[in-house]
Amino acid sequence: KNQVEQSPQSLIILEGKNCTLQCNYTVSPFSNLRWYKQDTGRGPVSLTIMTFSENTKSNGRYTATLDADTKQSSLHITASQLSDSASYICVVRQYSGAGSYQLTFGKGTKLSVIP
Amino acid sequence: DSGVTQTPKHLITATGQRVTLRCSPRSGDLSVYWYQQSLDQGLQFLIQYYNGEERAKGNILERFSAQQFPDLHSELNLSSLELGDSALYFCASSYYRDSYLSTGELFFGEGSRLTVL
Repeated sequence: KNQVEQSPQSLIILEGKNCTLQCNYTVSPFSNLRWYKQDTGRGPVSLTIMTFSENTKSNGRYTATLDADTKQSSLHITASQLSDSASYICVVRQYSGAGSYQLTFGKGTKLSVIP
Repeated sequence: DSGVTQTPKHLITATGQRVTLRCSPRSGDLSVYWYQQSLDQGLQFLIQYYNGEERAKGNILERFSAQQFPDLHSELNLSSLELGDSALYFCASSYYRDSYLSTGELFFGEGSRLTVL
């Protein structure tokens, strides 16, 4: 069964500290992996996309990694800010045949940054 | 602002009732997706439409139905509502029907929060 597991479920960190969120998946065949940020009560917004050939990609203070061999991805947040408080959702896209693709969503990690 | 518009933002109704949620996709987008997000749960895929036709179906209950109109806006109809249907309902859109031409990025609306009492 195609699954996307995220850990931890929730995380509280002090402002200015770094943190790393994990995403493990069993989805196959793999097409790409995307991290979304969802502010409370808002719709998710894409942060970054990782393809098979990419190991690391940065977007400001966010750095995503992908290990396609172990089927793991991480999202590292540097020098956290209060505005980073949100849920971070890992979404894996797989090829499902006949030219179609399917998305599998993780349940997300809820990050709280406190002063 | 993603460009996806959902109405209403909030809706409170009673068990057994029927409601309609509306979604206008980003200008030019042909695909519309509906997702349900219950409290502290992940996004659950309900259904996808592409250019007016049903494209994929997820865990959508028989009490729920949807359609996409010629102007590409979409409606999600929820009937015989139960307490457990209380959730945030998100609409997302993309240009492609999800083929190799697309990276799979979805643009989400702000959601419609449904409370069933």
